[in-house]
Amino acid sequence: NAGVMQNPRHLVRRRGQEARLRCSPMKGHSHVYWYRQLPEEGLKFMVYLQKENIIDESGMPKERFSAEFPKEGPSILRIQQVVRGDSAAYFCASSPAYGGSYEQYFGPGTRLTVT
Amino acid sequence: GESVGLHLPTLSVQEGDNSIINCAYSNSASDYFIWYKQESGKGPQFIIDIRSNMDKRQGQRVTVLLNKTVKHLSLQIAATQPGDSAVYFCAENIPGGTSYGKLTFGQGTILTVHP
Repeated sequence: NAGVMQNPRHLVRRRGQEARLRCSPMKGHSHVYWYRQLPEEGLKFMVYLQKENIIDESGMPKERFSAEFPKEGPSILRIQQVVRGDSAAYFCASSPAYGGSYEQYFGPGTRLTVT
Repeated sequence: GESVGLHLPTLSVQEGDNSIINCAYSNSASDYFIWYKQESGKGPQFIIDIRSNMDKRQGQRVTVLLNKTVKHLSLQIAATQPGDSAVYFCAENIPGGTSYGKLTFGQGTILTVHP
């Protein structure tokens, strides 16, 4: 069974460019969560999505950041006009479609470096 | 705001000893807690979870204790091995509204196991 997959694993962008991070959840999982981790800190929730719906984006910056989880294909976290402060590890987690389970399985992360 | 935090940022133990990692939480409404292990350059790995209607849960070499009276969570690792060296995070779920499944992470404790 493949786990949560994220790509790319490392991404370098210059200030002002766009970053697109992809996440494929585990098979059978339809809930996807994105978290950001700064060095030596815990993970901070960004957004929670189900297929074709954003359920909770309370942790996402209002500008430049967007997320989607289309009916087909991976979930995408998009950061426009990146700045140095966006440099961080971005983790995606997925959980099963049935209710009652909070257990989340994390991917290996994408490490974004803005130069 | 309310958050999850840790008493000890670092813990060093000898191989074979038992390790105890502590976590304090401040939201009495939290109904679910997870411990994650994160090795350098990797995503968080699920270790064990516990619901708020339980005081103790055991896994393989690990035990989680929940004391709701003082809002304290601990992770006990028996016969600690060098492969247990990692950062350990506790996370909580605060129920209600659209926050289903949104985890709030603590800062993390660095566990170092010496051979």
